[in-house]
Amino acid sequence: DSGVTQTPKHLITATGQRVTLRCSPRSGDLSVYWYQQSLDQGLQFLIQYYNGEERAKGNILERFSAQQFPDLHSELNLSSLELGDSALYFCASSYEGGTTDTQYFGPGTRLTVL
Amino acid sequence: AQKVTQAQTEISVVEKEDVTLDCVYETRDTTYYLFWYKQPPSGELVFLIRRNSFDEQNEISGRYSWNFQKSTSSFNFTITASQVVDSAVYFCALSEMNYGGSQGNLIFGKGTKLSVKP
Repeated sequence: DSGVTQTPKHLITATGQRVTLRCSPRSGDLSVYWYQQSLDQGLQFLIQYYNGEERAKGNILERFSAQQFPDLHSELNLSSLELGDSALYFCASSYEGGTTDTQYFGPGTRLTVL
Repeated sequence: AQKVTQAQTEISVVEKEDVTLDCVYETRDTTYYLFWYKQPPSGELVFLIRRNSFDEQNEISGRYSWNFQKSTSSFNFTITASQVVDSAVYFCALSEMNYGGSQGNLIFGKGTKLSVKP
């Protein structure tokens, strides 16, 4: 158990809908990362937050957005869902994204868009 | 551009065999970090090792060992006396540096699926 929690574990929804994925980092960690794992694209970085502020952005679609709250949990919002958004979404956390950090991953949320 | 290549898509071995998973990376940074993660059939990503670019010492942890060679841009992972529980997808990753040297996001290879048969 990495100490990173993600809810829900599974999510099934329809095209055009909007969903919210939630992540709680390990106790003491200030930085949260979101990754998408799909069969064709592999594991891809989406976005990083540090202490409530966006720090880095990867291949995140405009239909997707995220935020990190004062209690340091993070939410990833996916809207106007398409079939191709079906994937495993991971959240990871690290202390501060510093030079001695390691990212620890949560169990993931499996999103299925029908 | 930074890139991680795991040329072996799938490997199948019999229990107790040794197996090496290859990882080749590309980066223009002089300071970078390399990682290995394990993804068992249950789906979670489990951290195995972290290595920085200035530390070329090989590392051994039980049946696991890692060989980092900067000259060939490789960071290979060997499992000695493999066991059925080692069956998983193994990912090699490279960190991008941002914000004045702090570790940024990870760039993953495509992964190597290891099947260990009894």
